[in-house]
Amino acid sequence: GDSVTQMEGPVTLSEEAFLTINCTYTATGYPSLFWYVQYPGEGLQLLLKATKADDKGSNKGFEATYRKETTSFHLEKGSVQVSDSAVYFCALRDSGAGSYQLTFGKGTKLSVIP
Amino acid sequence: NAGVMQNPRHLVRRRGQEARLRCSPMKGHSHVYWYRQLPEEGLKFMVYLQKENIIDESGMPKERFSAEFPKEGPSILRIQQVVRGDSAAYFCASWGSEGYTFGSGTRLTVV
Repeated sequence: GDSVTQMEGPVTLSEEAFLTINCTYTATGYPSLFWYVQYPGEGLQLLLKATKADDKGSNKGFEATYRKETTSFHLEKGSVQVSDSAVYFCALRDSGAGSYQLTFGKGTKLSVIP
Repeated sequence: NAGVMQNPRHLVRRRGQEARLRCSPMKGHSHVYWYRQLPEEGLKFMVYLQKENIIDESGMPKERFSAEFPKEGPSILRIQQVVRGDSAAYFCASWGSEGYTFGSGTRLTVV
């Protein structure tokens, strides 16, 4: 079955530090890949996505590149801010799964300190 | 996200009671997904519904849980005879041309 593995948290960084959150996946079909962000007490918001190999998703300074050869979709940001503190989820939607539900990783909690 | 409305935001139930969670999808969306988030875990798929039809309930526990999406009104996730292990955040997402849009969730606490 499909699965998503992302680095365990929590991750604590100083403001303006470089961020990488690793994400790898297994899928039976040709998945689309997503990063979602969850702020405390809120639902999930789509951060960025990529639908095919070598696509780069980007938003709000965050980037992730769909690497089919390494089955990875690592999230990066060059300079984090305190407001980036949240839980980040990597997810996939597999074209081979008929109902198109999302499969999520366990989430990585990021805390950015001033 | 204001587009997908879930209520209540917080729900407290005693063991053995019933919990009813509601989800109104974005206007024009007729596909609804329910996910459960246990503490310190990612979201797990529960059920996928279209209007008046359950399309995929492979993630639903076999007992006590049911879902519906009637022709009129919100989608309902019902949990009968709740137990402490049902305490979690339950999220609804609707699917349309924009992709998935998640609601803010219902946080169920069973005491």
